[in-house]
Amino acid sequence: EIVMTQSPATLSVSPGERATLSCRASQSVSSNLAWYQQKPGQAPRLLIYGASTRATGIPARFSGSGSGTEFTLTISSLQSEDFAVYYCQQYNNWPLFGQGTKLEIK
Amino acid sequence: QVQLQESGPGLVKPSQTLSLTCTVSGGSISSGSYYWSWIRQPAGKGLEWIGRIYTSGSTNYNPSLKSRVTISVDTSKNQFSLKLSSVTAADTAVYYCARKGSSWSPFDYWGQGTLVTVSS
Repeated sequence: EIVMTQSPATLSVSPGERATLSCRASQSVSSNLAWYQQKPGQAPRLLIYGASTRATGIPARFSGSGSGTEFTLTISSLQSEDFAVYYCQQYNNWPLFGQGTKLEIK
Repeated sequence: QVQLQESGPGLVKPSQTLSLTCTVSGGSISSGSYYWSWIRQPAGKGLEWIGRIYTSGSTNYNPSLKSRVTISVDTSKNQFSLKLSSVTAADTAVYYCARKGSSWSPFDYWGQGTLVTVSS
């Protein structure tokens, strides 16, 4: 069974700075990896799929990289609306989410 | 623009069956090659995929919930449904319905979610 591990659990970053979030799969998921953003009281929103392709309407400051077992979501210059919880999800097999990284204002 | 909306009781008694419906608008549930899924999220916790039904009607379930889950579709109403039997307090969560494309696709459309509390 695949396990998805996100790190760190909480990340404190100042607005305007870069944020780097990590996601590791216990076995290869190829590039079948998505990132979602979730704000309180809202459903998750698709940001990145195929490990590195931005979904429709997602700003260019969001980028994804990686393949196999190691993946990264980078937000190049944090805006106030970016502070949220981020989940990675593999869809190489049954859908499975990481436990999330909370991105908070420093 | 596809939209999904969950509906159903917000309170279910322990040992009973949780029943939710997801109504799809902006497109036919039976057109295209899509999987229609249920996902849940306990308060303050992460996301757990429950199961899915394909356009053809075939289903797949999370092995950890498989014995208690049934997902069905009503194409005449453009809806799909979730039944989770023998619920306990551990099943208290926000339940989302969501759409994904073919096998190797993410969830691109989500409902707003509905809170279901299991309590006597």
